[in-house]
Amino acid sequence: SAVISQKPSRDICQRGTSLTIQCQVDSQVTMMFWYRQQPGQSLTLIATANQGSEATYESGFVIDKFPISRPNLTFSTLTVSNMSPEDSSIYLCSVETPQETQYFGPGTRLLVL
Amino acid sequence: GENVEQHPSTLSVQEGDSAVIKCTYSDSASNYFPWYKQELGKRPQLIIDIRSNVGEKKDQRIAVTLNKTAKHFSLHITETQPEDSAVYFCAASVTSGTYKYIFGTGTRLKVLA
Repeated sequence: SAVISQKPSRDICQRGTSLTIQCQVDSQVTMMFWYRQQPGQSLTLIATANQGSEATYESGFVIDKFPISRPNLTFSTLTVSNMSPEDSSIYLCSVETPQETQYFGPGTRLLVL
Repeated sequence: GENVEQHPSTLSVQEGDSAVIKCTYSDSASNYFPWYKQELGKRPQLIIDIRSNVGEKKDQRIAVTLNKTAKHFSLHITETQPEDSAVYFCAASVTSGTYKYIFGTGTRLKVLA
């Protein structure tokens, strides 16, 4: 498995501001992903964080709104930009281990007022 | 596009009974099918997975079956216990384009003592 941490665990933000979420894993992994989970809903993939190149975004998600960094094989950040109350959600990073198994971080609970 | 359907959305069983959750996927190239359990306020936890070269896999009270021809896979929990109460998500790998998982909509399992 993999030990994954996320910071912050939760935050309350004002609309129009931005928040950067950090994801750290204890071993080098090729693939890191960012998901959003609305209350009572399933997991929606935002983007795949690629090391050394631009992230690959899913339909409905754009780089200007959700810029992603992946400076190395153990770390990634997701920024939620120009936030509105509709961005209130849980944001989860996940990693795929060399054994081709995906594990999730603990999540960041975001409330936008 | 790729899709994973999951049924039922809610399931209540008596303690000791069995529970079955079913998923259907659309991408015939999918070759990896994990199941995640998510307790309230926690991250999704991988509980069992199956790859397309096997038809069934068992781990104590949990089993998963796969029918590649019909593009179905199912989670079976026997001798259910109250601590099995959670939301369960199935997923299927997608290999066309960027490698990723598509998640089902989730099943809320309630085990009644």
